[in-house]
Amino acid sequence: AQSVTQPDIHITVSEGASLELRCNYSYGATPYLFWYVQSPGQGLQLLLKYFSGDTLVQGIKGFEAEFKRSQSSFNLRKPSVHWSDAAEYFCAVGRIEDNSGGSNYKLTFGKGTLLTVNP
Amino acid sequence: DGGITQSPKYLFRKEGQNVTLSCEQNLNHDAMYWYRQDPGQGLRLIYYSQIVNDFQKGDIAEGYSVSREKKESFPLTVTSAQKNPTAFYLCASTPVGEETQYFGPGTRLLVL
Repeated sequence: AQSVTQPDIHITVSEGASLELRCNYSYGATPYLFWYVQSPGQGLQLLLKYFSGDTLVQGIKGFEAEFKRSQSSFNLRKPSVHWSDAAEYFCAVGRIEDNSGGSNYKLTFGKGTLLTVNP
Repeated sequence: DGGITQSPKYLFRKEGQNVTLSCEQNLNHDAMYWYRQDPGQGLRLIYYSQIVNDFQKGDIAEGYSVSREKKESFPLTVTSAQKNPTAFYLCASTPVGEETQYFGPGTRLLVL
Protein backbone atom coordinates (compact mmCIF):
# COMPACT_ATOMS: atom_id res chain seq x y z
CA ALA A 1 0.00 0.00 0.00
CA GLN A 2 1.15 3.50 -0.70
CA SER A 3 2.14 5.77 2.16
CA VAL A 4 3.68 9.16 2.79
CA THR A 5 5.94 9.98 5.73
CA GLN A 6 6.80 13.44 6.91
CA PRO A 7 9.33 12.75 9.67
CA ASP A 8 9.24 16.21 11.23
CA ILE A 9 6.05 17.12 13.07
CA HIS A 10 7.20 20.64 13.93
CA ILE A 11 10.11 22.74 12.66
CA THR A 12 11.18 26.17 13.88
CA VAL A 13 13.45 28.40 11.82
CA SER A 14 14.53 32.01 12.00
CA GLU A 15 13.36 34.46 9.39
CA GLY A 16 15.89 34.59 6.56
CA ALA A 17 17.21 31.10 7.24
CA SER A 18 16.99 28.27 4.73
CA LEU A 19 14.35 25.58 5.02
CA GLU A 20 14.06 21.93 4.08
CA LEU A 21 10.96 19.87 4.82
CA ARG A 22 11.32 16.14 4.35
CA CYS A 23 8.93 13.79 2.61
CA ASN A 24 9.36 10.07 1.92
CA TYR A 25 6.86 7.98 0.02
CA SER A 26 6.14 4.36 -0.63
CA TYR A 27 4.57 3.58 -3.99
CA GLY A 28 5.21 0.83 -6.51
CA ALA A 29 4.98 2.87 -9.70
CA THR A 30 6.19 6.28 -10.76
CA PRO A 31 4.36 8.61 -8.41
CA TYR A 32 2.65 11.91 -8.84
CA LEU A 33 3.96 14.05 -5.97
CA PHE A 34 2.59 17.23 -4.46
CA TRP A 35 3.30 19.77 -1.76
CA TYR A 36 0.43 21.76 -0.28
CA VAL A 37 0.42 24.54 2.33
CA GLN A 38 -2.34 25.28 4.84
CA SER A 39 -2.76 28.39 6.96
CA PRO A 40 -4.75 27.99 10.20
CA GLY A 41 -8.45 27.40 9.56
CA GLN A 42 -8.01 27.52 5.79
CA GLY A 43 -8.06 25.10 2.90
CA LEU A 44 -4.97 23.69 1.19
CA GLN A 45 -3.07 25.63 -1.45
CA LEU A 46 -0.93 23.84 -4.02
CA LEU A 47 2.75 24.84 -3.84
CA LEU A 48 4.17 22.57 -6.53
CA LYS A 49 3.86 19.17 -8.17
CA TYR A 50 5.99 16.57 -9.90
CA PHE A 51 4.73 14.21 -12.56
CA SER A 52 7.76 13.49 -14.73
CA GLY A 53 10.77 15.13 -16.36
CA ASP A 54 13.13 17.46 -14.55
CA THR A 55 13.47 16.22 -10.97
CA LEU A 56 13.85 19.74 -9.57
CA VAL A 57 10.52 21.53 -9.68
CA GLN A 58 9.80 25.14 -8.94
CA GLY A 59 6.66 26.29 -7.20
CA ILE A 60 4.97 29.39 -5.94
CA LYS A 61 6.26 31.65 -3.15
CA GLY A 62 9.90 30.77 -3.90
CA PHE A 63 9.61 27.08 -2.98
CA GLU A 64 11.23 24.22 -4.86
CA ALA A 65 11.32 20.46 -4.40
CA GLU A 66 13.56 17.70 -5.67
CA PHE A 67 12.40 14.20 -6.57
CA LYS A 68 14.96 11.52 -5.75
CA ARG A 69 13.78 8.12 -6.89
CA SER A 70 16.68 6.27 -5.25
CA GLN A 71 15.73 7.70 -1.87
CA SER A 72 11.95 7.73 -2.42
CA SER A 73 11.99 11.34 -1.34
CA PHE A 74 10.46 14.63 -2.42
CA ASN A 75 11.86 17.26 -0.07
CA LEU A 76 10.65 20.84 -0.11
CA ARG A 77 13.16 23.69 0.11
CA LYS A 78 13.28 27.44 0.34
CA PRO A 79 16.54 29.42 0.49
CA SER A 80 15.24 32.23 2.73
CA VAL A 81 12.13 31.90 4.87
CA HIS A 82 9.73 34.80 5.41
CA TRP A 83 7.48 35.21 8.46
CA SER A 84 4.47 34.70 6.19
CA ASP A 85 5.65 31.15 5.43
CA ALA A 86 4.54 30.02 8.89
CA ALA A 87 1.90 27.37 8.19
CA GLU A 88 1.42 23.62 7.98
CA TYR A 89 2.86 21.81 4.98
CA PHE A 90 1.57 18.57 3.53
CA CYS A 91 3.23 16.19 1.12
CA ALA A 92 0.97 13.94 -0.96
CA VAL A 93 1.35 11.10 -3.45
CA GLY A 94 -1.19 10.45 -6.18
CA ARG A 95 -2.07 6.99 -7.33
CA ILE A 96 -4.45 5.33 -9.73
CA GLU A 97 -6.58 2.46 -8.43
CA ASP A 98 -8.31 0.05 -10.75
CA ASN A 99 -11.60 -1.50 -9.68
CA SER A 100 -14.64 -3.01 -11.30
CA GLY A 101 -15.99 0.44 -12.09
CA GLY A 102 -12.84 1.62 -13.84
CA SER A 103 -9.80 3.60 -12.76
CA ASN A 104 -9.95 6.04 -9.90
CA TYR A 105 -7.34 8.62 -8.98
CA LYS A 106 -6.64 9.33 -5.29
CA LEU A 107 -4.19 11.26 -3.12
CA THR A 108 -2.54 9.96 0.03
CA PHE A 109 -1.36 12.67 2.40
CA GLY A 110 1.37 12.78 4.98
CA LYS A 111 0.49 13.95 8.47
CA GLY A 112 1.99 17.36 7.93
CA THR A 113 4.86 19.50 9.21
CA LEU A 114 4.07 22.63 11.18
CA LEU A 115 6.50 25.45 10.41
CA THR A 116 7.11 28.21 12.95
CA VAL A 117 9.18 31.23 11.89
CA ASN A 118 10.98 33.26 14.56
CA PRO A 119 11.63 36.96 13.90
CA ASP B 1 -14.87 34.34 -9.64
CA GLY B 2 -14.29 30.66 -10.21
CA GLY B 3 -13.65 28.48 -7.23
CA ILE B 4 -14.80 25.99 -4.64
CA THR B 5 -17.10 27.16 -1.89
CA GLN B 6 -17.94 25.34 1.31
CA SER B 7 -20.66 26.34 3.70
CA PRO B 8 -21.11 26.96 6.49
CA LYS B 9 -17.67 27.83 7.85
CA TYR B 10 -18.67 26.52 11.29
CA LEU B 11 -21.38 23.96 12.01
CA PHE B 12 -22.68 22.64 15.28
CA ARG B 13 -24.27 19.24 15.69
CA LYS B 14 -26.37 17.96 18.53
CA GLU B 15 -26.14 14.35 19.56
CA GLY B 16 -28.24 12.10 17.32
CA GLN B 17 -28.60 14.73 14.62
CA ASN B 18 -27.67 14.49 10.96
CA VAL B 19 -25.98 17.52 9.44
CA THR B 20 -25.13 18.33 5.82
CA LEU B 21 -22.03 20.16 4.65
CA SER B 22 -22.21 21.95 1.33
CA CYS B 23 -19.55 21.92 -1.40
CA GLU B 24 -20.09 23.80 -4.66
CA GLN B 25 -17.68 24.44 -7.53
CA ASN B 26 -18.06 26.52 -10.69
CA LEU B 27 -14.81 25.31 -12.27
CA ASN B 28 -16.49 22.67 -14.44
CA HIS B 29 -14.42 20.01 -12.69
CA ASP B 30 -15.56 16.42 -13.03
CA ALA B 31 -14.17 14.77 -9.92
CA MET B 32 -14.95 15.88 -6.38
CA TYR B 33 -13.65 14.64 -3.04
CA TRP B 34 -14.39 14.93 0.68
CA TYR B 35 -11.64 14.73 3.29
CA ARG B 36 -11.62 14.78 7.06
CA GLN B 37 -8.74 16.48 8.87
CA ASP B 38 -7.90 15.88 12.52
CA PRO B 39 -4.94 17.50 14.32
CA GLY B 40 -1.73 15.64 13.58
CA GLN B 41 -3.49 13.15 11.28
CA GLY B 42 -3.25 14.72 7.87
CA LEU B 43 -6.18 14.34 5.49
CA ARG B 44 -8.22 11.17 5.20
CA LEU B 45 -10.52 10.46 2.25
CA ILE B 46 -14.22 10.01 3.07
CA TYR B 47 -15.95 9.80 -0.33
CA TYR B 48 -15.20 10.75 -3.91
CA SER B 49 -17.12 11.10 -7.14
CA GLN B 50 -15.72 10.96 -10.67
CA ILE B 51 -19.00 11.74 -12.47
CA VAL B 52 -22.57 12.77 -11.76
CA ASN B 53 -24.75 10.13 -10.09
CA ASP B 54 -21.75 8.02 -9.14
CA PHE B 55 -19.54 8.00 -6.06
CA GLN B 56 -17.22 5.64 -4.17
CA LYS B 57 -16.28 5.16 -0.55
CA GLY B 58 -12.91 6.34 0.60
CA ASP B 59 -10.89 5.14 3.55
CA ILE B 60 -13.24 6.33 6.33
CA ALA B 61 -16.77 6.33 4.85
CA GLU B 62 -18.59 4.84 7.84
CA GLY B 63 -21.07 7.31 9.35
CA TYR B 64 -21.09 9.52 6.26
CA SER B 65 -23.19 9.73 3.10
CA VAL B 66 -22.99 11.78 -0.10
CA SER B 67 -24.90 12.52 -3.27
CA ARG B 68 -23.85 13.85 -6.68
CA GLU B 69 -26.98 14.94 -8.51
CA LYS B 70 -25.27 17.87 -10.22
CA LYS B 71 -21.75 18.31 -11.51
CA GLU B 72 -21.29 21.45 -9.44
CA SER B 73 -22.42 20.07 -6.09
CA PHE B 74 -21.21 17.29 -3.78
CA PRO B 75 -22.86 17.58 -0.35
CA LEU B 76 -21.67 15.49 2.58
CA THR B 77 -24.04 14.31 5.32
CA VAL B 78 -22.59 13.44 8.69
CA THR B 79 -25.04 10.99 10.18
CA SER B 80 -25.76 10.14 13.80
CA ALA B 81 -23.83 6.91 13.21
CA GLN B 82 -20.58 8.92 13.11
CA LYS B 83 -19.66 8.85 16.78
CA ASN B 84 -16.72 11.23 16.59
CA PRO B 85 -17.69 13.88 14.03
CA THR B 86 -15.71 16.82 15.43
CA ALA B 87 -13.17 17.65 12.72
CA PHE B 88 -12.29 20.00 9.87
CA TYR B 89 -13.89 18.90 6.60
CA LEU B 90 -12.34 19.76 3.25
CA CYS B 91 -13.82 19.44 -0.21
CA ALA B 92 -11.66 19.24 -3.32
CA SER B 93 -12.15 18.92 -7.05
CA THR B 94 -10.10 17.94 -10.10
CA PRO B 95 -10.49 18.84 -13.78
CA VAL B 96 -10.88 16.01 -16.25
CA GLY B 97 -7.54 14.71 -17.41
CA GLU B 98 -5.64 16.29 -14.53
CA GLU B 99 -4.24 14.85 -11.33
CA THR B 100 -4.11 18.00 -9.21
CA GLN B 101 -6.76 18.49 -6.54
CA TYR B 102 -7.92 22.00 -5.68
CA PHE B 103 -9.37 22.62 -2.24
CA GLY B 104 -12.19 24.65 -0.75
CA PRO B 105 -11.81 26.68 2.46
CA GLY B 106 -13.23 23.97 4.73
CA THR B 107 -16.01 23.57 7.29
CA ARG B 108 -15.34 23.01 10.97
CA LEU B 109 -17.89 20.73 12.60
CA LEU B 110 -18.33 20.84 16.35
CA VAL B 111 -20.50 18.67 18.56
CA LEU B 112 -22.62 20.29 21.28
